[in-house]
Amino acid sequence: EAQVTQNPRYLITVTGKKLTVTCSQNMNHEYMSWYRQDPGLGLRQIYYSMNVEVTDKGDVPEGYKVSRKEKRNFPLILESPSPNQTSLYFCASSLAAGVPDTQYFGPGTRLTVL
Amino acid sequence: GESVGLHLPTLSVQEGDNSIINCAYSNSASDYFIWYKQESGKGPQFIIDIRSNMDKRQGQRVTVLLNKTVKHLSLQIAATQPGDSAVYFCADTYNFNKFYFGSGTKLNVKP
Repeated sequence: EAQVTQNPRYLITVTGKKLTVTCSQNMNHEYMSWYRQDPGLGLRQIYYSMNVEVTDKGDVPEGYKVSRKEKRNFPLILESPSPNQTSLYFCASSLAAGVPDTQYFGPGTRLTVL
Repeated sequence: GESVGLHLPTLSVQEGDNSIINCAYSNSASDYFIWYKQESGKGPQFIIDIRSNMDKRQGQRVTVLLNKTVKHLSLQIAATQPGDSAVYFCADTYNFNKFYFGSGTKLNVKP
């Protein structure tokens, strides 16, 4: 089954404690992206990756890092989480950047930073 | 930055009626537009897309209309069903790398 998986699905942490949210896809997709979703603001793009070792900033990259060492994985790293990073996070992948109609979203990770 | 907004936060329709969800965008360079459906507790799901060189595109029970003159996008759902209840987002891009989403419209379908 084609899917994007995220772990953990729920996480409560404290300010400053480094965390990683994993994202993995089994479709051999080239393009992957991270979004955060906040009430009233819709989804905002954090980072995206065109392919292995190729990443770039989205609209709201501050406070986040990503890496793309393998095609299937695109972890989101919060080096020093702060309460304003409390949000619902979605990972997405598509066959390539130019074919968003092949885009799949993960189930989401709800992060609370105290 | 990019601004993609929706006219109404909530839309209630009777089952069987047609639904129209609207969206405005600000970047005249945007050349690709997408509608997504997000059901409660799930990630967004692609519904239909349209390129800027088109005015209309039809799918199964859905139609997207693009008016570039007024930078307006709409999603029409024919014969709305209870399973259509969800939040609908429009999004746009001008380079297929970065995507900008609207804030969403919640569609409630009354039986």
